[in-house]
Amino acid sequence: AQTVTQSQPEMSVQEAETVTLSCTYDTSENNYYLFWYKQPPSRQMILVIRQEAYKQQNATENRFSVNFQKAAKSFSLKISDSQLGDTAMYFCAFMKPFAGNMLTFGGGTRLMVKP
Amino acid sequence: NAGVTQTPKFRVLKTGQSMTLLCAQDMNHEYMYWYRQDPGMGLRLIHYSVGEGTTAKGEVPDGYNVSRLKKQNFLLGLESAAPSQTSVYFCASSYSLDTTNTGELFFGEGSRLTVL
Repeated sequence: AQTVTQSQPEMSVQEAETVTLSCTYDTSENNYYLFWYKQPPSRQMILVIRQEAYKQQNATENRFSVNFQKAAKSFSLKISDSQLGDTAMYFCAFMKPFAGNMLTFGGGTRLMVKP
Repeated sequence: NAGVTQTPKFRVLKTGQSMTLLCAQDMNHEYMYWYRQDPGMGLRLIHYSVGEGTTAKGEVPDGYNVSRLKKQNFLLGLESAAPSQTSVYFCASSYSLDTTNTGELFFGEGSRLTVL
């Protein structure tokens, strides 16, 4: 079974600054997918970024980028130019493909962006 | 396009009562899931379905039952509610993973259930 650990329950950052959220995972699989989901106060889960383990290049989506270290089983999320709308819970998640697309989530990091 | 819709959004139950949460998706997704969210524990998978008429247990299935009689609907039932089932419940759906799909799960807005 896979486990996902987010060691930072809460973080804060000043508007326009950069923040990095940590995620580590444990698996014996070689092929898998990793995700970051955002949950704002509205409770809606929103996909932020996705990484396929077989790709060495780190995924980027506008202000969001990841640092994927497969050997270290680490998958951190960097948010550049933080905005007030980035205030949310962030969840790291693991997926073993072709096995029902089930996600295993970490416990979450609550990010507060301060003006 | 409504996406994933959950009903009801809020419910308060007494211990021992039963209820059903309904999830409906209009994206023709094969896969559907029920998760529960508790503070500090992220989302945990209760049950899932990879197609109409099929269901399987997830990480925390005890005390819950599910049914998927139609492809677009996935029902979560609590036969005898317990205070430990107080949580926020999320339904999600996705396409089966292939080279053209990202494996992204699409979530409903959640249903807050309180068991007294």
